[in-house]
Amino acid sequence: GENVEQHPSTLSVQEGDSAVIKCTYSDSASNYFPWYKQELGKGPQLIIDIRSNVGEKKDQRIAVTLNKTAKHFSLHITETQPEDSAVYFCAVGPWDSNYQLIWGAGTKLIIKP
Amino acid sequence: GAGVSQSPRYKVAKRGQDVALRCDPISGHVSLFWYQQALGQGPEFLTYFQNEAQLDKSGLPSDRFFAERPEGSVSTLKIQRTQQEDSAVYLCASREQGSELFFGEGSRLTVL
Repeated sequence: GENVEQHPSTLSVQEGDSAVIKCTYSDSASNYFPWYKQELGKGPQLIIDIRSNVGEKKDQRIAVTLNKTAKHFSLHITETQPEDSAVYFCAVGPWDSNYQLIWGAGTKLIIKP
Repeated sequence: GAGVSQSPRYKVAKRGQDVALRCDPISGHVSLFWYQQALGQGPEFLTYFQNEAQLDKSGLPSDRFFAERPEGSVSTLKIQRTQQEDSAVYLCASREQGSELFFGEGSRLTVL
């Protein structure tokens, strides 16, 4: 079955700097790669996603890049702000079935003022 | 409602007690999911409903776990004879066909 690894487990960056979180996966048939943000005491919230027919997607300060050959994808946050502090999860699965998503273990992002 | 609503937000149970966790999905969302999230981990799939039909319950960890959605809207996750390893946050999510998952804030269960 699918196996997802996420690194780093904790990331501390200075406000205004960029943050990068990486995930690797094992099943080459996976074609949907969402990223979720989870704030303390809240449920995960989708922030950006990418399908396998695209190599990069950007939404304001957030971008995701996908390398299908190497089976890894990354979340990039530029010009980080205090409100970006949260736990970020990557997930992998088939596009037509969100519930079969396999989740990474999460990255705690700390933005230092 | 505006979002997925879960209750109770916090539940403390003594080992061996039964608990029931409620999920009120976004109005009109056909699909409903339950996940278990252990501390410091990502959500793990428990079960999935389409309307009132439970189409997949392969993630339920034991026969002590039971979920229902009798009228295709509100769902209840029941855990019988709770054990300490059941302590986790239980997340409910709903979605329309082909859309993203919308999660509730979760029910944090602590079994003493």
